[in-house]
Amino acid sequence: GENVEQHPSTLSVQEGDSAVIKCTYSDSASNYFPWYKQELGKRPQLIIDIRSNVGEKKDQRIAVTLNKTAKHFSLHITETQPEDSAVYFCAASLRGGSQGNLIFGKGTKLSVKP
Amino acid sequence: SQTIHQWPATLVQPVGSPLSLECTVEGTSNPNLYWYRQAAGRGLQLLFYSVGIGQISSEVPQNLSASRPQDRQFILSSKKLLLSDSGFYLCAWSPLTETQYFGPGTRLLVL
Repeated sequence: GENVEQHPSTLSVQEGDSAVIKCTYSDSASNYFPWYKQELGKRPQLIIDIRSNVGEKKDQRIAVTLNKTAKHFSLHITETQPEDSAVYFCAASLRGGSQGNLIFGKGTKLSVKP
Repeated sequence: SQTIHQWPATLVQPVGSPLSLECTVEGTSNPNLYWYRQAAGRGLQLLFYSVGIGQISSEVPQNLSASRPQDRQFILSSKKLLLSDSGFYLCAWSPLTETQYFGPGTRLLVL
């Protein structure tokens, strides 16, 4: 089955710097990769996703890149702000599968210092 | 638009007591439904998922069970709670193999 590894587990940056979180997956058939942000005590919320027919996707200060050959994808946050502080989860899924289950990484706790 | 509800928001229960958590989705039909548990400071553990009424799949053996009596209702239950059942319980829905959207969660403390 699919396995997703996420690094680093914690990340501390200064406000205004960039942050990069990386995930690798094991099943080459996986073709959908969402990223979730979870603020303390709240639900995970989708911030960006990418499908395997696309190599990069951007949404303002957030971008995701996908390397299908190497089976890894990354979240890039530019010009970080204190409100970016949260736990970020990556996930992988076989879109079109019978259940559509997401396999999650273990999360990265991002701290942005003012 | 679609909305997902969970209740109660918080719950404190003694060991050995029963549990019933409810999740409902509005604004969609025949969604995939999921129950996750998140221990404090930890990742998301998939407990159950359902692709239709009465269809439940379990990911992890435990003393919890799930039921889907209606298309947009998903219930998580236990006959006797354990201390290890404490955590943040999240329901999620998916429009058939697309991304998952999480409910607000139920924080359960078993004492």
